[in-house]
Amino acid sequence: DQQVKQNSPSLSVQEGRISILNCDYTNSMFDYFLWYKKYPAEGPTFLISISSIKDKNEDGRFTVFLNKSAKHLSLHIVPSQPGDSAVYFCAASANILITGGGNKLTFGTGTQLKVEL
Amino acid sequence: EAGVTQFPSHSVIEKGQTVTLRCDPISGHDNLYWYRRVMGKEIKFLLHFVKESKQDESGMPNNRFLAERTGGTYSTLKVQPAELEDSGVYFCASSPWNPANYGYTFGSGTRLTVV
Repeated sequence: DQQVKQNSPSLSVQEGRISILNCDYTNSMFDYFLWYKKYPAEGPTFLISISSIKDKNEDGRFTVFLNKSAKHLSLHIVPSQPGDSAVYFCAASANILITGGGNKLTFGTGTQLKVEL
Repeated sequence: EAGVTQFPSHSVIEKGQTVTLRCDPISGHDNLYWYRRVMGKEIKFLLHFVKESKQDESGMPNNRFLAERTGGTYSTLKVQPAELEDSGVYFCASSPWNPANYGYTFGSGTRLTVV
């Protein structure tokens, strides 16, 4: 039973345009969400996060939107650059806001983003 | 600040042999996690340490896997005896007590191939 789903295995966009990566979750206890970027032969690199008390978080070219009622989040990259080409993982954690401590991350299967010139 | 370090980066072993993976977390991080990615699928949780104590080991596949974190510093993950389905990339991550403020940092992973 996959609790975090990324239904698009791949996405191709042109340089300068917007990339939108989507993620759906089923566990209502998730209260902290993260996006990671992964290049081949490297570990996931943290991009941006959002807690369930917010609906938007922005960091430079990256913005994450959270729709709790729909259990959906998305990552917007504007403008997209060739160096953004990588696999993007959505991840979620439960009860962080309650316990304040570290909890395991549940990952989606990833979306391969290709930014073309 | 040094990141999360994993050793070795690659390991090829025969079925039935033993392999030990090592992870050095970021200094001062209480939380240490092991994850595994098999065949390009999702990254799956294996185990969570808080300092030297196992907080959550619900993701460990079976008793062929043994994880330790001596003195609350580095951690090892031993697979004994290894089976073909254990092949994959094993990631280690660490975080401060409250990762909601500081995030989780991953190592580059150990690619394990069992033949």
